[in-house]
Amino acid sequence: GAGVSQTPSNKVTEKGKYVELRCDPISGHTALYWYRQSLGQGPEFLIYFQGTGAADDSGLPNDRFFAVRPEGSVSTLKIQRTERGDSAVYLCASSLSGAQSTDTQYFGPGTRLTVL
Amino acid sequence: AQSVSQHNHHVILSEAASLELGCNYSYGGTVNLFWYVQYPGQHLQLLLKYFSGDPLVKGIKGFEAEFIKSKFSFNLRKPSVQWSDTAEYFCAVSRYSSASKIIFGSGTRLSIRP
Repeated sequence: GAGVSQTPSNKVTEKGKYVELRCDPISGHTALYWYRQSLGQGPEFLIYFQGTGAADDSGLPNDRFFAVRPEGSVSTLKIQRTERGDSAVYLCASSLSGAQSTDTQYFGPGTRLTVL
Repeated sequence: AQSVSQHNHHVILSEAASLELGCNYSYGGTVNLFWYVQYPGQHLQLLLKYFSGDPLVKGIKGFEAEFIKSKFSFNLRKPSVQWSDTAEYFCAVSRYSSASKIIFGSGTRLSIRP
C-alpha cells in the first residue's frame, strides 16, 4: 500500500508563530515516530507513539514541542513560539509494532520547516 | 548516552571501486545496528540491519556490513560500486531494550564518478 505521507512538504513561518506538521503512517502500523534532521546531521529522535499514547518522548527538546495521535493513526507535531533554531526537516516514520526490536521503521519524505 | 560516529563525511569513488564506510558506536550493552540510505530526492530507507546471530549481514543492492563487538563497529561494504550508489548513508543504533529509539550518525555522502 501507500507509504508514510507528511504534509505540508514545506512550511515557512515567522519567529514566534505556531505550526502543526502532520503525519499519515502506513495503514495498520501501530507505532509512529518523529525525528528532526538539521542540515548536515543525521535524524534525531523526538518521540515514539505506540497506538494513541506517547511511549517515549525523551527526545522532545523543550515544552514548546508537543505531539498527539488521538485515534492511533494520524499524528500531529505541534511547535509553539517557533525559533530560528527549529528550522530543520521533520521526519515521520512508522512500523508494524514498536514492541518488536526486529520491526523496520519506514520513513516519510519529511516536512522542511523554515523559521524566518 | 549512546552515540554513533561516522568518520568519513564525504567519500568519492570511481565506478567498480570497492567501498567501506566506517561506523563506531558507544554503548556497552546489547544493540541493534542499522544502515540507512537516502538517494537524491528520495526517502530515507533501510539498507540492512543486525539484531542477532551471524555478525555478517547482507542487505539490498549488494551491500553488507560486519558487526565487530570488540571494536564497537559496524562497517558497511560493497565490493564494486555503481554510479547509482550515489547517496547519503547513515549508520544507526538502538538499544535492544529500547528498540524504538534509533540514534543516527551524522551521515556519509558517497559520490560515484561514472
